[in-house]
Amino acid sequence: DGGITQSPKYLFRKEGQNVTLSCEQNLNHDAMYWYRQDPGQGLRLIYYSQIVNDFQKGDIAEGYSVSREKKESFPLTVTSAQKNPTAFYLCASSIDGGGMNTEAFFGQGTRLTVV
Amino acid sequence: GQSLEQPSEVTAVEGAIVQINCTYQTSGFYGLSWYQQHDGGAPTFLSYNALDGLEETGRFSSFLSRSDSYGYLLLQELQMKDSASYFCAVRVIDKIIFGKGTRLHILP
Repeated sequence: DGGITQSPKYLFRKEGQNVTLSCEQNLNHDAMYWYRQDPGQGLRLIYYSQIVNDFQKGDIAEGYSVSREKKESFPLTVTSAQKNPTAFYLCASSIDGGGMNTEAFFGQGTRLTVV
Repeated sequence: GQSLEQPSEVTAVEGAIVQINCTYQTSGFYGLSWYQQHDGGAPTFLSYNALDGLEETGRFSSFLSRSDSYGYLLLQELQMKDSASYFCAVRVIDKIIFGKGTRLHILP
């Protein structure tokens, strides 16, 4: 079955450590996105990518980094520079990054807790 | 910049009809979509409006007025399983921006 997979589901990190969240899709989608969700804040865009080897900053990119070396994969690294990293992270993909299609498919999310 | 406004909470009775409004302020607008998210789960796509008017999908309908920068989601024959958060989202050129979500409470 086609879908988008995030791992791990729960992640604990010590302060000062970098951590990488995985996101893989087999939907053959060009566009991929990372969102952060905090209670009452909705989904805030961290980074997005329309094609391989290209990505753009979203509204809250500081303290995060991404790569897009393969169409299927869009990992997110939460660096030690992110001051408040505890949150629910959602990865999504869509057929393309522009034009009329807007349906995004989401992974099940990674809940990151800094301890 | 871009912004979307929707009510934080709405309460309705099982079997009734409820409308969740969304106003947006964006540049490069392509369309308005709606997503449903149950607690602890991932958002799932409900509907998309690129043109003015009403789109109907079963018990759910969505409306868009581009001239008013306004849309709404209409849920009919409410069921307890519809208790969830609902997000409006706009397609802006090459990205999707979400509102803060509306928590729908359903009373038996």
